[in-house]
Amino acid sequence: DQQVKQNSPSLSVQEGRISILNCDYTNSMFDYFLWYKKYPAEGPTFLISISSIKDKNEDGRFTVFLNKSAKHLSLHIVPSQPGDSAVYFCAASATGYFGNEKLTFGTGTRLTIIP
Amino acid sequence: DTAVSQTPKYLVTQMGNDKSIKCEQNLGHDTMYWYKQDSKKFLKIMFSYNNKELIINETVPNRFSPKSPDKAHLNLHINSLELGDSAVYFCASSQGGGEKLFFGSGTQLSVL
Repeated sequence: DQQVKQNSPSLSVQEGRISILNCDYTNSMFDYFLWYKKYPAEGPTFLISISSIKDKNEDGRFTVFLNKSAKHLSLHIVPSQPGDSAVYFCAASATGYFGNEKLTFGTGTRLTIIP
Repeated sequence: DTAVSQTPKYLVTQMGNDKSIKCEQNLGHDTMYWYKQDSKKFLKIMFSYNNKELIINETVPNRFSPKSPDKAHLNLHINSLELGDSAVYFCASSQGGGEKLFFGSGTQLSVL
């Protein structure tokens, strides 16, 4: 049962334009969402997160939007740069007992920025 | 200075063999994890340890045995390797079991 879905396996965007990566989830218990970025032969690195009490979180060129009613989140990158070319994973967790929250990941979207 | 390091980076072995993957973190975190990324690119949690105590065990076959000698190390031992064990295994750590994980660069395991 795939609780976190990234339906676009790949996305190509012109340098300088906006990149929008989408993620859908099915588990209504999820209350914290994250985006990770992964380069080849490296582990995923944390990019940005959002709590379910918010609908937007911004960090420099990266903004994450959360639509709880639609169970949908998106990552916007503006402006897109060649170094943004990577695989982006969406992840979600449900608050449990203290500590050791379990992340559920999507399958990733490969973003290619075209110079 | 690598924050989460795992060795080896590549592991090629025959079915039936026993192998280990080592992981060390120098971030001072108290929680460590093993994740598996299969051929369909799903990244799934296998285990988590908090201060050397097993917290999460996600219905992983008991051929997989994690060992945490101290909170900076979490090793993964796999007995009787099967073809289906071929995957990339990622070690990760976090502070207080939080969601912001720091991952190692992965171990590509190929079982022939």
